[in-house]
Amino acid sequence: EPEVTQTPSHQVTQMGQEVILRCVPISNHLYFYWYRQILGQKVEFLVSFYNNEISEKSEIFDDQFSVERPDGSNFTLKIRSTKLEDSAMYFCASSLRVATRGQETQYFGPGTRLLVL
Amino acid sequence: KQEVTQIPAALSVPEGENLVLNCSFTDSAIYNLQWFRQDPGKGLTSLLLIQSSQREQTSGRLNASLDKSSGRSTLYIAASQPGDSATYLCAVRLTGFQKLVFGTGTRLLVSP
Repeated sequence: EPEVTQTPSHQVTQMGQEVILRCVPISNHLYFYWYRQILGQKVEFLVSFYNNEISEKSEIFDDQFSVERPDGSNFTLKIRSTKLEDSAMYFCASSLRVATRGQETQYFGPGTRLLVL
Repeated sequence: KQEVTQIPAALSVPEGENLVLNCSFTDSAIYNLQWFRQDPGKGLTSLLLIQSSQREQTSGRLNASLDKSSGRSTLYIAASQPGDSATYLCAVRLTGFQKLVFGTGTRLLVSP
């Protein structure tokens, strides 16, 4: 069964460094998302991406964050200058545009655990 | 602003019991609702999706219901097994938005 994959599984970085988290969405999916989950807290939406542009973003997704689909298979999240509070599990998700309204299941990857020291 | 609440926060049952997990949401203009399972340190596995026009969905031993007017969804797990032990999350997508708004989850432990 097709699945969303993410690399790396774990990343440790120093505060102020740039990190790039990578995702390979399910191949025929058209919508892509990033969410994060700070330890012990709810899963929070960051951004959605469709047709090579951001379609929706949250207040968390400020100028420190950017997303890109550099080729036909990868979807990346870049954090330009990491802060301690960026430590979290970052999930990529994708969904298919379907004919039946309301049926767009979002499928999640296994996550990248980011630790900022 | 959509708020999603799940009760109980934790539940411990013996194997074989039927159980119900609850999810409530404040804005009834939902597009769909998804139930997920999350194992410790792992990703989210989609279990069921209910469209706003549906009242319930079934998959194997799982049955999810939706009552938009009261802002509630329930996940019923029949004949629970130790392998069902995980955190169960519900997530709501509002009409006109793409984001999912997640609840805090119910941590389920099924003991043999």
